[in-house]
Amino acid sequence: DIQMTQSPSSLSASVGDRVTITCRASQSISRYLNWYQQKPGKAPNLLIYAASSLQSGVPSRFSGSGSGTDFTLTISSLQPEDFATFYCQQSYSIPRTFGQGTKVEIK
Amino acid sequence: EVQLVESGGGLVQPGGSLRLSCAASGFTFSTYWMNWVRQAPGKGLEWVASMNQDGSEKYYVDSVKGRFTISRDNAKNSLYLQMNSLRAEDTAVYYCARDGVGASARAFDIWGQGTMVTVSA
Repeated sequence: DIQMTQSPSSLSASVGDRVTITCRASQSISRYLNWYQQKPGKAPNLLIYAASSLQSGVPSRFSGSGSGTDFTLTISSLQPEDFATFYCQQSYSIPRTFGQGTKVEIK
Repeated sequence: EVQLVESGGGLVQPGGSLRLSCAASGFTFSTYWMNWVRQAPGKGLEWVASMNQDGSEKYYVDSVKGRFTISRDNAKNSLYLQMNSLRAEDTAVYYCARDGVGASARAFDIWGQGTMVTVSA
């Protein structure tokens, strides 16, 4: 199974900050990497698919990059509604494993 | 409106069974891969099972193989998860999720609101 490791596990940031979350796969997954945002008590929401493609309706301050084993989710200017937990997921092979999550909190 | 609505969760004793349902609306259900994903209380997301459009391909996470069965009824626009021999570690919110198509294939682009399953004596 492919293991997905996110860093950091949590971070504190202020509104307007640039935030970067990293996801590393235990083997190459090409660009089969997705990012989700989950707010407390809600279902996850797809932000980025295929490493860098922005899902329809998602603000352009979210962006993704990377290929192979190393990937990054960047929020260019953190907004109040962005405080949540973010998960990466590989869709290269079954099982479609998720990272452990990165919780973004208000500083 | 594109929507997935889960039902069927509840409290069940260890060793018991439960059948979850997911009703789809607002899209052509029969043309999409579908999935179940779970989240234990306070924990992260775990993919559970996937099924292709006609049910000829089914995949499961190792921890539920032989105990859970994913199925669908395209005429009823519904996805199911039959859960047998339930264990305490199966306690979680269970989400159904749709695979995207085209460039977003294999990403879960639509999610239901989730249904809670609690396995406890």
